[in-house]
Amino acid sequence: NAGVTQTPKFQVLKTGQSMTLQCAQDMNHEYMSWYRQDPGMGLRLIHYSVGAGITDQGEVPNGYNVSRSTTEDFPLRLLSAAPSQTSVYFCASSYSGQGPTYEQYFGPGTRLTVT
Amino acid sequence: AQRVTQPEKLLSVFKGAPVELKCNYSYSGSPELFWYVQYSRQRLQLLLRHISRESIKGFTADLNKGETSFHLKKPFAQEEDSAMYYCALGDSWGKLQFGAGTQVVVTP
Repeated sequence: NAGVTQTPKFQVLKTGQSMTLQCAQDMNHEYMSWYRQDPGMGLRLIHYSVGAGITDQGEVPNGYNVSRSTTEDFPLRLLSAAPSQTSVYFCASSYSGQGPTYEQYFGPGTRLTVT
Repeated sequence: AQRVTQPEKLLSVFKGAPVELKCNYSYSGSPELFWYVQYSRQRLQLLLRHISRESIKGFTADLNKGETSFHLKKPFAQEEDSAMYYCALGDSWGKLQFGAGTQVVVTP
């Protein structure tokens, strides 16, 4: 059971380049989310999904796209990288549904630098 | 609006001393609160949640609805408690809102 995996671990992009951060989980979790972690700001939700084919915006969605074609995968696309997107990105997954909030399981993170 | 406030960016304590990390929240519904911890070079993991009312690694946290607080406490800090701690508020669909985090440094 690998849990939540993310690739790559590190990435350097030039302004204007695009790329996809990969996230996969093998726990059959319905809920998946992407956060960015910045010093002094904690983790902020970018996008989330409550199941395959269903996605929605979080707190800071601009500049990012997501799709959820399978339960396991939830890639995050940067359309045109900007220096403000330099951050550490975390993917997380959990069970879903109305009612108690379930524990979220986090991936190891991707450290992205945009120059 | 939903908000989580952790007023301390850094907390430095001596080994064996008590430690308390403050967390205040604002939420119109019935809150679900969590503490997550990130040790150096490790991924975030759940430390404890208010509905379980348990003690993990000697830490406890009590939900005080009157003061809208969920402070994390440990009576005797250990060096292995050095980490970044995040308070988080869950909504009815499982989304989490995190505070800014408190870095705890325990010195011998």
